Amino acid sequence: QSVLTQPPSVSGAPGQRVTISCTGSSSNIGAGYEVHWYQQFPGTAPKLLIYGNSNRPSGVPDRFSGSKSGTSASLAITGLQAEDEADYYCQSYDSSLSGYVFGTGTKVTVL
Amino acid sequence: QVHLQESGPGLVKPSETLSLTCTVSGGSISSYYWTWIRQSPGKGLEWIGYIYNRGRTNYNPSLKSRVTISVDTSKNQFSLKLSSVTTADTAMYYCARGTYDSYGYYTDYWGQGILVSVSA
Repeated sequence: QSVLTQPPSVSGAPGQRVTISCTGSSSNIGAGYEVHWYQQFPGTAPKLLIYGNSNRPSGVPDRFSGSKSGTSASLAITGLQAEDEADYYCQSYDSSLSGYVFGTGTKVTVL
Repeated sequence: QVHLQESGPGLVKPSETLSLTCTVSGGSISSYYWTWIRQSPGKGLEWIGYIYNRGRTNYNPSLKSRVTISVDTSKNQFSLKLSSVTTADTAMYYCARGTYDSYGYYTDYWGQGILVSVSA
C-alpha cells in the first residue's frame, strides 16, 4: 500500500478538464518534497510528464499541468483527448520510509 | 538521445538471485542517478534504488537487505542483483536515468522493461 493515494480512475469527455489528486502526508508532500508525474500506456514504460511539481519536459503538451498544496498534489489535463487515455502516477520522497515512493496510480478514460 | 536497454533471464527460481543489466547509449554513465524500478503485474510502480557518483548507492529500505546495484563505466552499463527471490518478486523491471537537481529526483529516460518471473 503506497503512502501516496490517487483515485483509481477518472474519466471525461473529449475537450473536458480532468484532475488527478495525489494525497500524501507530512512526511512526503507536506514536508516540501517535490512531486513528479508519469504517464504510462499499456505495455509501455512510464514517461515523465511533470517534474518539480509543475514543470513540463520538452515535448509535453501544455494541456498537462501540475500543482501542489499542503499535503497533496494535482495533475490537470485540459482539453482532454483520446490519446490521453493512460495510467498516471505521482512520485515523491518519503522521509519516514527513507525512500522514493510512487502513487497508487490513476487510469484516465476518455468517454 | 539517451537509450536504455534491459537484459537478463526472464525466469528465475525461488531462493535464487535475479540479475539484470542495463546498457546505456547516447550518453555517459558517469553522471546521473542510474535507477531500477519494478512493476508487479497489474500493479503500481516500486522504486528499487539507484547508483550515482561512480558507485554510491541508495536502496529502497524494504528491499535493501537483498539488493545490490553496481556500475561498469567501461561498458556504459549498470546492473541489479536481487537475492533470495520469491514469487512476490515477479514483475516488469525497468532501468531508468534519474536526475537530481533543484526540482528533486525524477526519472527522465526509461528502458522498455524486462519481465522477470519467479517460478520453480
